[in-house]
Amino acid sequence: EAEVAQSPRYKITEKSQAVAFWCDPISGHATLYWYRQILGQGPELLVQFQDESVVDDSQLPKDRFSAERLKGVDSTLKIQPAELGDSAMYLCASSFGHTGELFFGEGSRLTVL
Amino acid sequence: DQQVKQNSPSLSVQEGRISILNCDYTNSMFDYFLWYKKYPAEGPTFLISISSIKDKNEDGRFTVFLNKSAKHLSLHIVPSQPGDSAVYFCAASAWETSGSRLTFGEGTQLTVNP
Repeated sequence: EAEVAQSPRYKITEKSQAVAFWCDPISGHATLYWYRQILGQGPELLVQFQDESVVDDSQLPKDRFSAERLKGVDSTLKIQPAELGDSAMYLCASSFGHTGELFFGEGSRLTVL
Repeated sequence: DQQVKQNSPSLSVQEGRISILNCDYTNSMFDYFLWYKKYPAEGPTFLISISSIKDKNEDGRFTVFLNKSAKHLSLHIVPSQPGDSAVYFCAASAWETSGSRLTFGEGTQLTVNP
């Protein structure tokens, strides 16, 4: 069964260090999302791509976060420098067309010490 | 501005009984609503959805009800099973203004006791 792949599953880093997460969406899914979920809260959208173009990055803290999807397939989310408040689960999701259903990966759990 | 709210952080029910999870929204542009289930250390998985043109959608043990006038939806699980124990997220999208982007509620932890 096709699924969204994410790596790493877990990342522990010290504050001020750089960290990167990778996502490979379901083949053929043009829309890719990065969400952040803080414990006890619902997922919040960071950035949305349509193919290689950013559709919405209004909630992305652009002073330290960056995201790219150069070839319109896989995507990388980077944080530099990491802060204590960045500790969260980073979820990648993809969707096909306009069905409204998002398929999520297993997430990358970040702990900043 | 919390546009999707799940006011109950947790719910505990007995196996075989009905579970009712509630969700309220404020954005009148929302026209598609979904429920996701999340186990610890996993990503959310899609459960059931409903379009704003309907007031009910059923899939096996799961039924979602939508009350547009009250801006309220609910998920009914009957009968509840221990394997249903998970966090349930309500989500909504407004196709005309933001396409397929989902706005999530805070989640409700459902515990089904054997």
